[in-house]
Amino acid sequence: GESVGLHLPTLSVQEGDNSIINCAYSNSASDYFIWYKQESGKGPQFIIDIRSNMDKRQGQRVTVLLNKTVKHLSLQIAATQPGDSAVYFCAENISHNFNKFYFGSGTKLNVKP
Amino acid sequence: NAGVTQTPKFRILKIGQSMTLQCAQDMNHNYMYWYRQDPGMGLKLIYYSVGAGITDKGEVPNGYNVSRSTTEDFPLRLELAAPSQTSVYFCASSYGTGQETQYFGPGTRLLVL
Repeated sequence: GESVGLHLPTLSVQEGDNSIINCAYSNSASDYFIWYKQESGKGPQFIIDIRSNMDKRQGQRVTVLLNKTVKHLSLQIAATQPGDSAVYFCAENISHNFNKFYFGSGTKLNVKP
Repeated sequence: NAGVTQTPKFRILKIGQSMTLQCAQDMNHNYMYWYRQDPGMGLKLIYYSVGAGITDKGEVPNGYNVSRSTTEDFPLRLELAAPSQTSVYFCASSYGTGQETQYFGPGTRLLVL
């Protein structure tokens, strides 16, 4: 999961395995969530989003699961590749704060060849 | 499309100096944002703009100023730089109207000594 501080949690996986990255969000009123990928020295890049009226959404090789009961979000990456190595973080948004997102600190994914 | 561009990529400032971080987007987006990212921390919103001539404070606006004279450009001004402003600054844009992904620039790394 994500944490606050200088040391990001790290997930190490073997190339070809599936990865699961977790995020605990803070506000039960949040109704829109985004997962971002940030490679070293680059800006965040959109991966997938989900609204609170859904509990699962699939993209290409990625799936986001939302559990509103426990305020938990997860990102599943299938057949992880070396190019997936990056920091992944989630963002939450409340509909009445339409242009204000709150970002987690991220999890570092390390894919071993 | 170049997307969101930022200059400079890296800058060292002395305490008390001023500088302007440049941001431009060519996607005709209405909304633009400035974030800072401290090591191991999530993005924090500094200022945002919903259109030319309209700006508003985010979560951490102290020590910064912005302007939005055109749809394309959203410069961030640092007056009297302090060591606490050492960070990586990201500019982002979105089309607007509600909850949707933001497109990020590559970032400006600022070191205040």
